[in-house]
Amino acid sequence: GDSVTQMEGPVTLSEEAFLTINCTYTATGYPSLFWYVQYPGEGLQLLLKATKADDKGSNKGFEATYRKETTSFHLEKGSVQVSDSAVYFCALSDNASGNTGKLIFGQGTTLQVKP
Amino acid sequence: GAVVSQHPSRVICKSGTSVKIECRSLDFQATTMFWYRQFPKQSLMLMATSNEGSKATYEQGVEKDKFLINHASLTLSTLTVTSAHPEDSSFYICSARASSPYEQYFGPGTRLTVT
Repeated sequence: GDSVTQMEGPVTLSEEAFLTINCTYTATGYPSLFWYVQYPGEGLQLLLKATKADDKGSNKGFEATYRKETTSFHLEKGSVQVSDSAVYFCALSDNASGNTGKLIFGQGTTLQVKP
Repeated sequence: GAVVSQHPSRVICKSGTSVKIECRSLDFQATTMFWYRQFPKQSLMLMATSNEGSKATYEQGVEKDKFLINHASLTLSTLTVTSAHPEDSSFYICSARASSPYEQYFGPGTRLTVT
């Protein structure tokens, strides 16, 4: 079945460092891909999404590109801030239209940014 | 953005008893609600999908007689864990989706501990 694999955390960075969190997926169809973020004590929030190959999702300085050839959707940010400390989840939906139905999540990656 | 609440945020119950968790969409009507379970340092696992006014659709391996889901209105879904056992201890998260746009909005989760 469909699955999502993320790099294991925690990831600890200094403020203004470059961030990459790797995400790869396995899917039989043409999924939509998502990154969600969970700040301490809060629910998951959609960070960005991409619905087809070569699409780039971006938000709040984060970006990720849907790479069909490598089945990847790596999250990047050029300069992280302490406020970016959170748990990041990569997910896919088996509906390629972008209609967020059933979601399959990766295991989450904890990011800690130190001043 | 849209807000989803869960109640209670934490609950401790004795083995053999039942516990109900509520999920509410506060400022929109949710035609579909999803229930997830999350074990420590693991991914969110979809348990069931519920549509307002109809029976929930359970994922493979989830006991529908143990995890009762009711989606009685467009703003409320409940998950009842019946005859709880210590292995049911987990973090339960709901999400809600309007008919348009299709983004899922997540609640903050409920920590269930069965003693």
